[in-house]
Amino acid sequence: NAGVTQTPKFQVLKTGQSMTLQCAQDMNHNSMYWYRQDPGMGLRLIYYSASEGTTDKGEVPNGYNVSRLNKREFSLRLESAAPSQTSVYFCASSETAAGNTIYFGEGSWLTVV
Amino acid sequence: QKEVEQDPGPLSVPEGAIVSLNCTYSNSAFQYFMWYRQYSRKGPELLMYTYSSGNKEDGRFTAQVDKSSKYISLFIRDSQPSDSATYLCAMNTNAGGTSYGKLTFGQGTILTVHP
Repeated sequence: NAGVTQTPKFQVLKTGQSMTLQCAQDMNHNSMYWYRQDPGMGLRLIYYSASEGTTDKGEVPNGYNVSRLNKREFSLRLESAAPSQTSVYFCASSETAAGNTIYFGEGSWLTVV
Repeated sequence: QKEVEQDPGPLSVPEGAIVSLNCTYSNSAFQYFMWYRQYSRKGPELLMYTYSSGNKEDGRFTAQVDKSSKYISLFIRDSQPSDSATYLCAMNTNAGGTSYGKLTFGQGTILTVHP
């Protein structure tokens, strides 16, 4: 049972390049999330998907897009990467949209130069 | 002012000490309170989850919520070197609809327990 799996774990991008972070969960959870973590800022919600077929903006959605591909998978896309998007990205899931017990992946370290 | 404030530390204690980690918050709508532990280069893992005011105990860990003071705490008894990690508090409202699942996190407290 892998839980929440993210790829890639590390990535270096040049400003203006695009990339997609992939996330899959094997817990049959309905809700999935993307957070970013920056020093001194804690974890901030980028986008979430309460259930398959729905997505909504979180606290810091600008510069990102998401796709809930199916119940298992939720991807995060950076269309034109900026240095301000250098961060650690965490995918997470929860059984229901109540979301009070959220399980996180291992993280993806992204550097934009 | 941030909705959730947490002393970033770092906090360094000897093995066996009692550790107190704290968060304050400003949003009185928060009803669900969580503590996560995050080891270096890893994702956060859920430690404790409480609803509304009161105490909850799990082994060496006790979570305490005081809604009247908008203050939550995590106590770790008989701390061990393996407890060395960053501890994050998180909160959620019970507003229903799209507010569910949108946790608000503290900045995290870095704890080191030395032998």
